Amino acid sequence: AQSVAQPEDQVNVAEGNPLTVKCTYSVSGNPYLFWYVQYPNRGLQFLLKYITGDNLVKGSYGFEAEFNKSQTSFHLKKPSALVSDSALYFCAVSSGVNYGGATNKLIFGTGTLLAVQP
Amino acid sequence: NAGVTQTPKFQVLKTGQSMTLQCAQDMNHEYMSWYRQDPGMGLRLIHYSVGAGITDQGEVPNGYNVSRSTTEDFPLRLLSAAPSQTSVYFCASSYSAGRGLYEQYFGPGTRLTVT
Repeated sequence: AQSVAQPEDQVNVAEGNPLTVKCTYSVSGNPYLFWYVQYPNRGLQFLLKYITGDNLVKGSYGFEAEFNKSQTSFHLKKPSALVSDSALYFCAVSSGVNYGGATNKLIFGTGTLLAVQP
Repeated sequence: NAGVTQTPKFQVLKTGQSMTLQCAQDMNHEYMSWYRQDPGMGLRLIHYSVGAGITDQGEVPNGYNVSRSTTEDFPLRLLSAAPSQTSVYFCASSYSAGRGLYEQYFGPGTRLTVT
């Protein structure tokens, strides 16, 4: 069965410092990995995805993520955090394996709250 | 494009009442889905649709019905509301149902309270 783990409920970082939000996954077949961000009282917004190719994926707002197959991880990173990056971040995985006819089913992690202090 | 729209934004129901949460998208997306978001549990898939006339159950379908008569609309019906259905509900759509490659676009959510 597919699963995603975000081991940290909250990450605190000072503005200007690098940030990392961790994600590990378990999936049958090749993983398709996504990061989404949720600002207060808003829906989720897509940040970036890994499908195949280069293990370092660049996305919106200066975020990037590194796919590590041997460690089954897909950590979100940013070289220099901004206060405006404070939000709830979700990692999600889907698989190319056919589940009941629809292979676009995403499994989400429980989310990590990123708090950037000025 | 308006993207994915949801109505209402907020709703309070009494136990046993029924209601329909509306969702519409104007991107001609094939795939649509409903999630509920609860504290500490992330998003859980309720129902999904891979095209007009085709729907299927997700992880937590009990107490909910869906239909997809058009590409644009994907309403979620609560048959007999229970306090356990107090949650924030998100509708999402993506370009294609195939192979899980495509990112999903989310609506702004409906905050439902059942008393």
